[in-house]
Amino acid sequence: EIVLTQSPDFQSVTPKEKVTITCRASQSIGSSLHWYQQKPDQSPRLLINYASQSFSGVPSRFSGSGSGTEFTLTISSLEPEDAATYYCHQSTSLPGTFGQGTKLDI
Amino acid sequence: EVQLVESGGGVVKPGGSLRLSCAASGFTFRNYNMNWVRQAPGKGLEWISSLSSSTTFVYYADSVKGRFTISRDNANNSLYLQMNSLRPEDTAKYFCARARGAVDVWGRGTMVTVSS
Repeated sequence: EIVLTQSPDFQSVTPKEKVTITCRASQSIGSSLHWYQQKPDQSPRLLINYASQSFSGVPSRFSGSGSGTEFTLTISSLEPEDAATYYCHQSTSLPGTFGQGTKLDI
Repeated sequence: EVQLVESGGGVVKPGGSLRLSCAASGFTFRNYNMNWVRQAPGKGLEWISSLSSSTTFVYYADSVKGRFTISRDNANNSLYLQMNSLRPEDTAKYFCARARGAVDVWGRGTMVTVSS
């Protein structure tokens, strides 16, 4: 099973700040890495797929990069509504594992 | 509108059974592999089962293998999860998920509580 490790687990941030979340895979997964945002009592929402492709309707302040075993999600200028937990997910092999999540507190 | 709506959750005693359903609409259900993902209260996401569009491929996480059965009815655009021998650690919100690589459509989830 491929293990995804996110850092940090938690970050206290301020509006307009630039935020970077890292996801490291236990083995190479190419670009099969996706990012989700989950707000309390809501379903996850796809932000970025295949490492760097923005999903439809996602604000341009969200971007992704990386390949192989190291990936990053960047929020260029944080908005108050970005307070949420962010998860990475690999789909290169089943089980489709998730990172443990990164909670952003604004 | 593309939509997944889960139902069938509830409170059940350890050792009991439940059958979850997921009704799909707004897309050609039979063309997609479908999945169940769960989230225990206050915890992260766990991928627990997948079923290919033609039902030729099925996957279960070790945590549910031998107890849960995934199935689908392409004629009625529905996905199911039969859960037997439930344990307290199965307590979670269960999400139906459409995925081609990334999960691009999630249901709102249905809560399952296993407690005596």
